[in-house]
Amino acid sequence: TQLLEQSPQFLSIQEGENLTVYCNSSSVFSSLQWYRQEPGEGPVLLVTVVTGGEVKKLKRLTFQFGDARKDSSLHITAAQPGDTGLYLCAGANYGGATNKLIFGTGTLLAVQP
Amino acid sequence: NAGVTQTPKFRVLKTGQSMTLLCAQDMNHEYMYWYRQDPGMGLRLIHYSVGEGTTAKGEVPDGYNVSRLKKQNFLLGLESAAPSQTSVYFCASRPTAGNTDTQYFGPGTRLTVL
Repeated sequence: TQLLEQSPQFLSIQEGENLTVYCNSSSVFSSLQWYRQEPGEGPVLLVTVVTGGEVKKLKRLTFQFGDARKDSSLHITAAQPGDTGLYLCAGANYGGATNKLIFGTGTLLAVQP
Repeated sequence: NAGVTQTPKFRVLKTGQSMTLLCAQDMNHEYMYWYRQDPGMGLRLIHYSVGEGTTAKGEVPDGYNVSRLKKQNFLLGLESAAPSQTSVYFCASRPTAGNTDTQYFGPGTRLTVL
């Protein structure tokens, strides 16, 4: 069974602080996605990383895929209250008999003004 | 273009009652998924479909059935609801094209089983 563990589970920080969320697995994934979910809504895709070692930036968010494609991190610079939400990583192994995402346990982020 | 819609948004059931959750997508996507989300456990896959008329079991299929009679609709059924099925249920869809495809999620159905 493939598992994705995220840390920390909860994070409460002040506006302007930096933070990093980690997503770890013992399994290799062909790609990894990060989603953000706001209360009462479904998850929305932020980014997909495909190549081991790949780094992608989305404004103040930096995503990295581990060299071995087993782990990933999300770094937020100068967090803002609008970043508040549940962040979920998801490993993909689409194709063949497997056409599904394995979701991480989630990191709940609260950014206080 | 409404994307993925789910009906109903909220529902309260008594133990042993049955119900069907409806998911509809207007993006002509081949693949559709049903997840449940519980605190501290992320999203867990219940069942999924790779095309009209097909279904497959996910990680936690027990107590649920699904049907995909039309490409745009994916139904999730609970034949005899149990308190352990209290959860938020999300439907998602994606095209078949490739390994990096986005899954598009509906707004969720909050189900309480008393």
